[in-house]
Amino acid sequence: DSGVTQTPKHLITATGQRVTLRCSPRSGDLSVYWYQQSLDQGLQFLIQYYNGEERAKGNILERFSAQQFPDLHSELNLSSLELGDSALYFCASSVGTAGDEKLFFGSGTQLSVL
Amino acid sequence: EDQVTQSPEALRLQEGESSSLNCSYTVSGLRGLFWYRQDPGKGPEFLFTLYSAGEEKEKERLKATLTKKESFLHITAPKPEDSATYLCAVQAGSNSGYALNFGKGTSLLVTP
Repeated sequence: DSGVTQTPKHLITATGQRVTLRCSPRSGDLSVYWYQQSLDQGLQFLIQYYNGEERAKGNILERFSAQQFPDLHSELNLSSLELGDSALYFCASSVGTAGDEKLFFGSGTQLSVL
Repeated sequence: EDQVTQSPEALRLQEGESSSLNCSYTVSGLRGLFWYRQDPGKGPEFLFTLYSAGEEKEKERLKATLTKKESFLHITAPKPEDSATYLCAVQAGSNSGYALNFGKGTSLLVTP
Protein backbone atom coordinates (compact mmCIF):
# COMPACT_ATOMS: atom_id res chain seq x y z
CA ASP A 1 0.00 0.00 0.00
CA SER A 2 1.59 3.28 -1.17
CA GLY A 3 -0.49 5.45 1.16
CA VAL A 4 -1.98 7.40 -1.77
CA THR A 5 -5.76 7.02 -2.02
CA GLN A 6 -7.73 7.54 -5.20
CA THR A 7 -11.50 7.49 -5.62
CA PRO A 8 -13.46 6.21 -7.37
CA LYS A 9 -11.68 3.09 -8.65
CA HIS A 10 -13.93 2.85 -11.68
CA LEU A 11 -16.02 5.45 -13.49
CA ILE A 12 -18.28 4.91 -16.46
CA THR A 13 -19.82 7.91 -18.15
CA ALA A 14 -21.01 9.22 -21.49
CA THR A 15 -19.46 11.56 -24.01
CA GLY A 16 -19.98 15.23 -23.20
CA GLN A 17 -20.21 14.64 -19.48
CA ARG A 18 -18.02 15.99 -16.67
CA VAL A 19 -16.37 13.93 -13.92
CA THR A 20 -14.20 14.58 -10.88
CA LEU A 21 -11.42 12.29 -9.72
CA ARG A 22 -10.15 12.58 -6.17
CA CYS A 23 -6.75 11.95 -4.63
CA SER A 24 -5.47 11.97 -1.07
CA PRO A 25 -1.67 12.04 -0.88
CA ARG A 26 0.51 10.21 1.64
CA SER A 27 0.60 11.81 5.04
CA GLY A 28 3.20 14.59 5.01
CA ASP A 29 3.54 14.79 1.22
CA LEU A 30 3.01 18.28 -0.20
CA SER A 31 3.27 17.54 -3.93
CA VAL A 32 0.57 15.86 -5.97
CA TYR A 33 0.99 14.76 -9.58
CA TRP A 34 -1.65 13.59 -12.03
CA TYR A 35 -0.85 11.13 -14.81
CA GLN A 36 -2.90 9.58 -17.59
CA GLN A 37 -2.10 6.05 -18.77
CA SER A 38 -3.35 4.61 -22.04
CA LEU A 39 -2.19 1.59 -24.00
CA ASP A 40 -0.76 3.59 -26.88
CA GLN A 41 0.69 6.60 -25.03
CA GLY A 42 1.93 5.08 -21.81
CA LEU A 43 2.08 7.20 -18.66
CA GLN A 44 1.67 10.88 -19.54
CA PHE A 45 2.25 13.65 -17.02
CA LEU A 46 -0.70 16.02 -16.75
CA ILE A 47 -0.13 18.47 -13.92
CA GLN A 48 1.58 18.95 -10.56
CA TYR A 49 0.54 20.87 -7.45
CA TYR A 50 2.72 21.75 -4.51
CA ASN A 51 1.14 22.91 -1.27
CA GLY A 52 -1.90 24.27 -3.08
CA GLU A 53 -0.10 25.98 -5.93
CA GLU A 54 0.23 24.77 -9.51
CA ARG A 55 3.88 23.82 -10.01
CA ALA A 56 4.15 22.37 -13.51
CA LYS A 57 1.99 21.46 -16.46
CA GLY A 58 2.44 18.61 -18.88
CA ASN A 59 0.19 17.37 -21.65
CA ILE A 60 -3.03 18.47 -20.03
CA LEU A 61 -5.97 19.36 -22.27
CA GLU A 62 -7.85 22.64 -21.77
CA ARG A 63 -10.96 20.56 -20.97
CA PHE A 64 -9.12 19.21 -17.92
CA SER A 65 -8.37 21.13 -14.75
CA ALA A 66 -7.12 20.34 -11.29
CA GLN A 67 -6.73 21.88 -7.90
CA GLN A 68 -5.16 21.09 -4.54
CA PHE A 69 -7.07 22.02 -1.42
CA PRO A 70 -5.76 23.31 1.96
CA ASP A 71 -5.92 19.78 3.39
CA LEU A 72 -3.66 18.77 0.45
CA HIS A 73 -6.10 16.47 -1.28
CA SER A 74 -6.43 17.07 -4.99
CA GLU A 75 -9.17 16.80 -7.58
CA LEU A 76 -8.87 16.37 -11.33
CA ASN A 77 -11.86 17.63 -13.29
CA LEU A 78 -12.48 16.29 -16.77
CA SER A 79 -15.18 17.98 -18.86
CA SER A 80 -16.77 17.61 -22.29
CA LEU A 81 -15.55 14.03 -22.23
CA GLU A 82 -14.63 12.27 -25.45
CA LEU A 83 -14.17 8.59 -26.21
CA GLY A 84 -10.41 9.15 -26.34
CA ASP A 85 -10.36 10.28 -22.72
CA SER A 86 -10.94 6.69 -21.63
CA ALA A 87 -7.82 5.76 -19.70
CA LEU A 88 -6.38 4.99 -16.30
CA TYR A 89 -5.74 8.15 -14.30
CA PHE A 90 -3.11 8.01 -11.59
CA CYS A 91 -2.32 10.36 -8.79
CA ALA A 92 1.12 10.35 -7.22
CA SER A 93 2.59 12.23 -4.30
CA SER A 94 6.02 13.17 -3.02
CA VAL A 95 7.36 14.98 -0.01
CA GLY A 96 8.25 18.23 -1.70
CA THR A 97 9.42 19.57 -4.99
CA ALA A 98 13.15 19.73 -4.51
CA GLY A 99 13.90 17.27 -7.24
CA ASP A 100 15.23 13.70 -7.26
CA GLU A 101 12.32 12.58 -5.14
CA LYS A 102 10.58 9.33 -5.81
CA LEU A 103 6.86 9.43 -6.46
CA PHE A 104 4.35 7.19 -4.72
CA PHE A 105 1.41 6.24 -6.90
CA GLY A 106 -2.19 5.44 -6.04
CA SER A 107 -4.06 2.52 -7.58
CA GLY A 108 -5.70 4.72 -10.18
CA THR A 109 -9.16 5.53 -11.46
CA GLN A 110 -10.26 3.63 -14.56
CA LEU A 111 -12.37 6.00 -16.66
CA SER A 112 -14.55 4.60 -19.41
CA VAL A 113 -16.31 7.08 -21.71
CA LEU A 114 -19.08 5.44 -23.73
CA GLU B 1 12.24 17.55 -25.67
CA ASP B 2 12.92 14.73 -23.21
CA GLN B 3 12.58 11.25 -24.68
CA VAL B 4 12.58 7.86 -23.03
CA THR B 5 12.55 4.69 -25.12
CA GLN B 6 12.31 1.23 -23.62
CA SER B 7 13.09 -2.06 -25.31
CA PRO B 8 11.94 -4.66 -25.84
CA GLU B 9 8.22 -3.89 -25.58
CA ALA B 10 7.60 -7.41 -24.33
CA LEU B 11 9.84 -10.17 -23.05
CA ARG B 12 9.06 -13.75 -22.18
CA LEU B 13 11.56 -15.67 -20.05
CA GLN B 14 11.64 -19.07 -18.50
CA GLU B 15 12.18 -19.23 -14.78
CA GLY B 16 15.92 -18.90 -14.11
CA GLU B 17 16.70 -17.40 -17.52
CA SER B 18 18.53 -14.10 -16.91
CA SER B 19 18.10 -11.11 -19.21
CA SER B 20 18.26 -7.30 -19.41
CA LEU B 21 15.79 -4.55 -20.16
CA ASN B 22 16.96 -1.37 -21.86
CA CYS B 23 16.02 2.26 -21.33
CA SER B 24 17.49 4.86 -23.70
CA TYR B 25 17.01 8.50 -22.88
CA THR B 26 17.69 12.01 -24.10
CA VAL B 27 17.17 14.76 -21.57
CA SER B 28 18.75 18.08 -20.74
CA GLY B 29 19.80 18.31 -17.13
CA LEU B 30 19.14 14.81 -15.85
CA ARG B 31 18.45 14.86 -12.13
CA GLY B 32 17.63 11.20 -11.81
CA LEU B 33 16.63 8.04 -13.67
CA PHE B 34 13.95 5.94 -12.03
CA TRP B 35 12.80 2.36 -12.42
CA TYR B 36 9.29 1.37 -11.43
CA ARG B 37 7.41 -1.91 -11.49
CA GLN B 38 3.72 -1.99 -12.38
CA ASP B 39 1.42 -4.94 -11.81
CA PRO B 40 -1.88 -5.18 -13.73
CA GLY B 41 -4.55 -2.88 -12.30
CA LYS B 42 -2.14 -1.21 -9.90
CA GLY B 43 -0.07 1.94 -9.74
CA PRO B 44 3.67 1.92 -10.45
CA GLU B 45 5.84 0.87 -7.51
CA PHE B 46 9.26 2.44 -7.00
CA LEU B 47 12.33 0.24 -7.47
CA PHE B 48 15.47 2.37 -7.95
CA THR B 49 16.83 5.85 -8.54
CA LEU B 50 20.15 6.34 -10.35
CA TYR B 51 21.82 9.73 -10.46
CA SER B 52 25.08 9.52 -12.37
CA ALA B 53 26.80 7.44 -15.02
CA GLY B 54 28.47 4.38 -13.59
CA GLU B 55 26.08 4.06 -10.70
CA GLU B 56 24.57 0.64 -9.92
CA LYS B 57 21.85 -0.42 -7.51
CA GLU B 58 20.59 -3.88 -6.57
CA LYS B 59 17.47 -5.30 -5.00
CA GLU B 60 17.00 -9.05 -4.79
CA ARG B 61 17.19 -10.38 -8.36
CA LEU B 62 17.24 -6.92 -9.95
CA LYS B 63 20.23 -4.71 -10.72
CA ALA B 64 19.99 -1.31 -12.39
CA THR B 65 22.89 0.42 -14.12
CA LEU B 66 23.27 3.82 -15.73
CA THR B 67 25.38 5.29 -18.53
CA LYS B 68 25.18 8.75 -20.09
CA LYS B 69 22.66 7.58 -22.67
CA GLU B 70 20.91 4.51 -21.28
CA SER B 71 20.04 2.40 -18.31
CA PHE B 72 19.72 -1.34 -17.99
CA LEU B 73 17.63 -3.38 -15.62
CA HIS B 74 19.29 -6.77 -15.26
CA ILE B 75 17.12 -9.62 -13.99
CA THR B 76 19.07 -12.58 -12.64
CA ALA B 77 17.40 -16.00 -12.36
CA PRO B 78 13.89 -14.54 -12.54
CA LYS B 79 10.87 -16.14 -10.87
CA PRO B 80 7.23 -16.04 -12.01
CA GLU B 81 6.50 -13.38 -9.38
CA ASP B 82 8.83 -11.03 -11.27
CA SER B 83 6.26 -10.89 -14.08
CA ALA B 84 5.14 -7.26 -14.42
CA THR B 85 5.63 -4.19 -16.57
CA TYR B 86 8.87 -2.38 -15.82
CA LEU B 87 8.85 1.36 -16.39
CA CYS B 88 11.80 3.68 -16.78
CA ALA B 89 11.45 7.41 -16.14
CA VAL B 90 13.71 10.45 -16.21
CA GLN B 91 13.51 13.49 -14.04
CA ALA B 92 14.74 16.69 -15.60
CA GLY B 93 15.11 20.28 -14.55
CA SER B 94 12.98 22.60 -12.47
CA ASN B 95 10.94 23.97 -15.38
CA SER B 96 9.11 20.65 -15.44
CA GLY B 97 8.50 20.77 -11.69
CA TYR B 98 10.60 17.61 -11.44
CA ALA B 99 7.77 15.50 -12.81
CA LEU B 100 8.82 12.09 -14.10
CA ASN B 101 8.80 11.48 -17.85
CA PHE B 102 8.07 7.77 -18.42
CA GLY B 103 8.85 5.35 -21.19
CA LYS B 104 6.14 2.99 -22.41
CA GLY B 105 7.52 0.08 -20.45
CA THR B 106 8.65 -3.49 -20.97
CA SER B 107 6.09 -6.17 -20.22
CA LEU B 108 7.91 -9.13 -18.66
CA LEU B 109 6.40 -12.60 -18.39
CA VAL B 110 8.33 -15.29 -16.52
CA THR B 111 7.01 -18.79 -17.00
CA PRO B 112 7.66 -21.75 -14.66
